[in-house]
Amino acid sequence: NAGVMQNPRHLVRRRGQEARLRCSPMKGHSHVYWYRQLPEEGLKFMVYLQKENIIDESGMPKERFSAEFPKEGPSILRIQQVVRGDSAAYFCASSRGQGANTGELFFGEGSRLTVL
Amino acid sequence: GDSVTQMEGPVTLSEEAFLTINCTYTATGYPSLFWYVQYPGEGLQLLLKATKADDKGSNKGFEATYRKETTSFHLEKGSVQVSDSAVYFCALSGTGSSNTGKLIFGQGTTLQVKP
Repeated sequence: NAGVMQNPRHLVRRRGQEARLRCSPMKGHSHVYWYRQLPEEGLKFMVYLQKENIIDESGMPKERFSAEFPKEGPSILRIQQVVRGDSAAYFCASSRGQGANTGELFFGEGSRLTVL
Repeated sequence: GDSVTQMEGPVTLSEEAFLTINCTYTATGYPSLFWYVQYPGEGLQLLLKATKADDKGSNKGFEATYRKETTSFHLEKGSVQVSDSAVYFCALSGTGSSNTGKLIFGQGTTLQVKP
């Protein structure tokens, strides 16, 4: 399967722990977007990255959240000191270029974080 | 800022019924418009798109027309099937000089089709 791969699919953390979510884009894609879907809500943009660069982080909470997309390996969304409000589905999407120019954002199946 | 508003769900229909899911948007420029579909347990998939006013996007029997005058992009299908049960998201591309290619999504509308 050459689609966008996210792992883990499900992650349970206790308050105060760290959560790391990984995303491998489709082959040939160098643009990665992270979205968060809270229960009963739509998808909210968090961050847009290209290899080794954060292009747009206007949707990222100012504290505890960070993202990277290294030259080698998957993109990582890191949440430090998780709180119950962080419980959500986190979706990664990739595109060959700036996604909205073509509409071709390819989404992974999401990582569902539960904070106890 | 740019935003998308969808009709609230859930929408429950019988098989072969006509479907309309309303979507309106607010944008400062001229966005491209999209419908994405999310089947249970899966990620979002692009269903159709329109890039300029009066364009009609269509796929799998679904269609939507980009109406600039009413700032709408309503999704329609003439005869739904049980397999169409999913969550449907309307989205637009960000506009203006700060556009970095991200999509802005509506809150999603759940469609349930009963046999």
